[in-house]
Amino acid sequence: RKEVEQDPGPFNVPEGATVAFNCTYSNSASQSFFWYRQDCRKEPKLLMSVYSSGNEDGRFTAQLNRASQYISLLIRDSKLSDSATYLCVDPGGTSYGKLTFGQGTILTVHP
Amino acid sequence: DVKVTQSSRYLVKRTGEKVFLECVQDMDHENMFWYRQDPGLGLRLIYFSYDVKMKEKGDIPEGYSVSREKKERFSLILESASTNQTSMYLCASESVWGSYNEQFFGPGTRLTVL
Repeated sequence: RKEVEQDPGPFNVPEGATVAFNCTYSNSASQSFFWYRQDCRKEPKLLMSVYSSGNEDGRFTAQLNRASQYISLLIRDSKLSDSATYLCVDPGGTSYGKLTFGQGTILTVHP
Repeated sequence: DVKVTQSSRYLVKRTGEKVFLECVQDMDHENMFWYRQDPGLGLRLIYFSYDVKMKEKGDIPEGYSVSREKKERFSLILESASTNQTSMYLCASESVWGSYNEQFFGPGTRLTVL
């Protein structure tokens, strides 16, 4: 089993739609995770962190289910500019250093 | 703003050549990383460094070496390039201060080995 596994998609949704991605992880010691966003032909950038209490930032909500070992990212009211690859990241229970990336989920928002 | 720069955006080399990929960060970060990104495989860690002259193997170090002589610069070396090293190479840096580890990435170098 991969350490971090994501549905690669692609997800094709119209503007204004709500879309959700899931990510499963195998390291039960991990207590927090990250979502990074990577635009086409660009570098990854941190989108948000997610802890057991969840995290909400505007239209984006991230949740962690430690019992089932999965993380979710919900995007409400999708915009064209949300089109990107979303990477689920496991820091492995450490504060700094080695991150384990999922292969990414591709999202395309169309008019 | 943190800035991570990489020496080349695109590079074409021949099998057997020695290849140097350079990465420089301007935020005095302690940790630096080299990843490669391939379709369907995501980002995989090659090597990382948590201090000058220190290095640690990542998940796929075979065929690569690194050098960190100065804090701001982290070099990835392909001693004898092979076609299976054709990939996108991403450098990242990270501060050890703060609450969690946000890594800042450079724009990437797309290396083609013929």
